[in-house]
Amino acid sequence: LAKTTQPISMDSYEGQEVNITCSHNNIATNDYITWYQQFPSQGPRFIIQGYKTKVTNEVASLFIPADRKSSTLSLPRVSLSDTAVYYCLVDLTGRRALTFGSGTRLQVQP
Amino acid sequence: ETGVTQSPTHLIKTRGQQVTLRCSSQSGHNTVSWYQQALGQGPQFIFQYYREEENGRGNFPPRFSGLQFPNYSSELNVNALELDDSALYLCASSLLGGSTDTQYFGPGTRLTVL
Repeated sequence: LAKTTQPISMDSYEGQEVNITCSHNNIATNDYITWYQQFPSQGPRFIIQGYKTKVTNEVASLFIPADRKSSTLSLPRVSLSDTAVYYCLVDLTGRRALTFGSGTRLQVQP
Repeated sequence: ETGVTQSPTHLIKTRGQQVTLRCSSQSGHNTVSWYQQALGQGPQFIFQYYREEENGRGNFPPRFSGLQFPNYSSELNVNALELDDSALYLCASSLLGGSTDTQYFGPGTRLTVL
């Protein structure tokens, strides 16, 4: 299984752009990169998924360099409600088990 | 489109008892996966059901069992509850074999074992 490494925590202020980088040196050819957001006592919420280059949706952008050994989740202009734990997962789409690490705890200050 | 729902929201049991948790999958999804999340940790995969059959299992003992019904809803059963079973139990539904197999999670059931 590809293992991911991400910072334990990050702090930001409202209105700033936040970039969370995830390392996945052993990513396999068919693996996709997926990010989830989780608020306390709630289920993880799918944010974005990508395979290479750049993916953007209404919530975030995902940047993946050519070697795919890392990826960066970019949250534009964060607000207090973006305070949550963010998980980076690397798995074959359709894989039976999602493997969650410890995630990155993002704290947004006013 | 209806999202993933779980019941009950909270549950308190004592050691040795049995518990059944329920999950309704998102409309159009045929697969349900169950996860256990202890406080401060990421979710851990328990097992997955696809078309009413177990389709993969994590490192959990046999006292954790499940079912999937023809309407793709699912149950998680835990026998002989232990204190360490206290956790948030999450189910996630997905469409196996579709263009994307993203798993979508429900709100979870908080189980407390005393």
